[in-house]
Amino acid sequence: DARVTQTPRHKVTEMGQEVTMRCQPILGHNTVFWYRQTMMQGLELLAYFRNRAPLDDSGMPKDRFSAEMPDATLATLKIQPSEPRDSAVYFCASGLERGSWTGELFFGEGSRLTVL
Amino acid sequence: AQTVTQSQPEMSVQEAETVTLSCTYDTSESNYYLFWYKQPPSRQMILVIRQEAYKQQNATENRFSVNFQKAAKSFSLKISDSQLGDTAMYFCAFMKPDFGNEKLTFGTGTRLTIIP
Repeated sequence: DARVTQTPRHKVTEMGQEVTMRCQPILGHNTVFWYRQTMMQGLELLAYFRNRAPLDDSGMPKDRFSAEMPDATLATLKIQPSEPRDSAVYFCASGLERGSWTGELFFGEGSRLTVL
Repeated sequence: AQTVTQSQPEMSVQEAETVTLSCTYDTSESNYYLFWYKQPPSRQMILVIRQEAYKQQNATENRFSVNFQKAAKSFSLKISDSQLGDTAMYFCAFMKPDFGNEKLTFGTGTRLTIIP
């Protein structure tokens, strides 16, 4: 059963600490998105990749957030240093682009981050 | 920038009844995609149905169907024969297939409760 796998599912940390979230996209998918969900802002795009190349990271605070795809089976989202306002659920989603992008995304279960 | 509006924060309906969730959007684009995603208490976002703007025929997926009114920029979701498992947050989303800017723009969601 193909699915997007995210780790950790839950993370509680203190302000100033580094946080790394990992995502394993569905095998064969070449497009990966990172979204953040909060009560106040809803679902916001942080960054997305195609064939491991970043296409849009305008939603990320550049001074503290970074997103990478070291290889086709792993996407990472790092926050350093973390702040209480980063508390949210972070979703990774993957899809397959075959000549044209139709927007069909498969989401992981999310990583709930709490920064104290 | 595109916006997506869901004017019903919460809805409830008796099991086996039909319910319609509303969504309107604002765009000047002619080619785009619209989606309904379901987020049950497990938190994972699940694609329910997708509509391509250039297709006049309304999309259907089993008990789920849409009423796509392009001129009115309206995209409602109808759930027939509702089941307890349909209890979830439902998000309407918009995407234009613009390379480098292919993000999904989500509405604020409608919390649907199916009453036994």
